[in-house]
Amino acid sequence: GNSVTQMEGPVTLSEEAFLTINCTYTATGYPSLFWYVQYPGEGLQLLLKATKADDKGSNKGFEATYRKETTSFHLEKGSVQVSDSAVYFCALNNAGNMLTFGGGTRLMVKP
Amino acid sequence: DAMVIQNPRYQVTQFGKPVTLSCSQTLNHNVMYWYQQKSSQAPKLLFHYYDKDFNNEADTPDNFQSRRPNTSFCFLDIRSPGLGDAAMYLCATSTLTRGYNEQFFGPGTRLTVL
Repeated sequence: GNSVTQMEGPVTLSEEAFLTINCTYTATGYPSLFWYVQYPGEGLQLLLKATKADDKGSNKGFEATYRKETTSFHLEKGSVQVSDSAVYFCALNNAGNMLTFGGGTRLMVKP
Repeated sequence: DAMVIQNPRYQVTQFGKPVTLSCSQTLNHNVMYWYQQKSSQAPKLLFHYYDKDFNNEADTPDNFQSRRPNTSFCFLDIRSPGLGDAAMYLCATSTLTRGYNEQFFGPGTRLTVL
């Protein structure tokens, strides 16, 4: 079956630090991969996506590259801001419309 | 702007008192989903509709029911809420086409059970 594993949080960084949140997946075939972000008290927003191997998704300074050889989709940002504090979910979509989510990683950015 | 709307944003009910959460969409998507999310855990899919075709997840309690009277609206009914049903309930929509389908989420309804 499909599964997504992401690093446990919380991840606490100072403003302008470099961010990496690891995500690996297990799936048959060629899934699409997503990062969703959830700000406090809100629903999930799509942050970025990649639909095939070697694709790089990017948005708001965040990037993630679909690595089929390592079955990974790590989220990175060069310089985080306090406003990036949120919970980040890695997810995959395989052969249908259902999303399989990772457990979520809470990011806290301190001024 | 096209969007997914959930009402109310906050709902308080009493133990055992039926409650209905609503979701509407202006995206004209034919798939709608209901998720339960507890304490910033991953959202858990309860059920989804392909048009009017209802699909229940195997481990969704019978206490949870859903209605979709038309393309735009979908309701989540909790017949007898227990303390363990306190959670954020998320509605999402997507299209039904080949390939990947991005899900669009509403802001959620936070349910408190007293």
